[in-house]
Amino acid sequence: GAGVSQSPSNKVTEKGKDVELRCDPISGHTALYWYRQSLGQGLEFLIYFQGNSAPDKSGLPSDRFSAERTGGSVSTLTIQRTQQEDSAVYLCASSPRTSGDNEQFFGPGTRLTVL
Amino acid sequence: GENVEQHPSTLSVQEGDSAVIKCTYSDSASNYFPWYKQELGKRPQLIIDIRSNVGEKKDQRIAVTLNKTAKHFSLHITETQPEDSAVYFCAASNVAVASNTGKLIFGQGTTLQVKP
Repeated sequence: GAGVSQSPSNKVTEKGKDVELRCDPISGHTALYWYRQSLGQGLEFLIYFQGNSAPDKSGLPSDRFSAERTGGSVSTLTIQRTQQEDSAVYLCASSPRTSGDNEQFFGPGTRLTVL
Repeated sequence: GENVEQHPSTLSVQEGDSAVIKCTYSDSASNYFPWYKQELGKRPQLIIDIRSNVGEKKDQRIAVTLNKTAKHFSLHITETQPEDSAVYFCAASNVAVASNTGKLIFGQGTTLQVKP
């Protein structure tokens, strides 16, 4: 079946502009996660969705970052007034999140470059 | 807060040798420990995982060991091949569905180079 998909694959923007990043999880996966990977770094948790609710937003670095999920499926991560330090690869992952299966399947990521 | 430390940051081995990567975690409530392989420009792919009720798990040339008391776990790759060259990430999570998010706390990554 289809895996997790993300769009766009690359985004170049100017400092101060807003950007929207999209994630399409695996069908039926109730849990959705956003992570950020800066150059040469590990993955940093941003936000977790269970269905359409976001019970854990603890990783969002500032109030310029927000995310939503609709229909228990597609999620959008929005970064307002982008800064150069926002440049990174933004990865989305989905999971069945059942007691027996917690594997997170990652999308290919969106590489964001803020000039 | 939760933290995962991973060592070494780079590892170079000769083809056929073994490679070992070690991680320590801080949150004693962690009960799920996956390892991901990430090739250059690609998405992370799960290669093996272990739960806290198990001390060791093996899948062909890959094995993971867990020491809950010491709060550390290790990835062992035997008979390494050039295609094993990639960045490997360990992670820790509390996956109890009722009360936790299952978010992954990642180590900093290990770049493994297998020389032919």
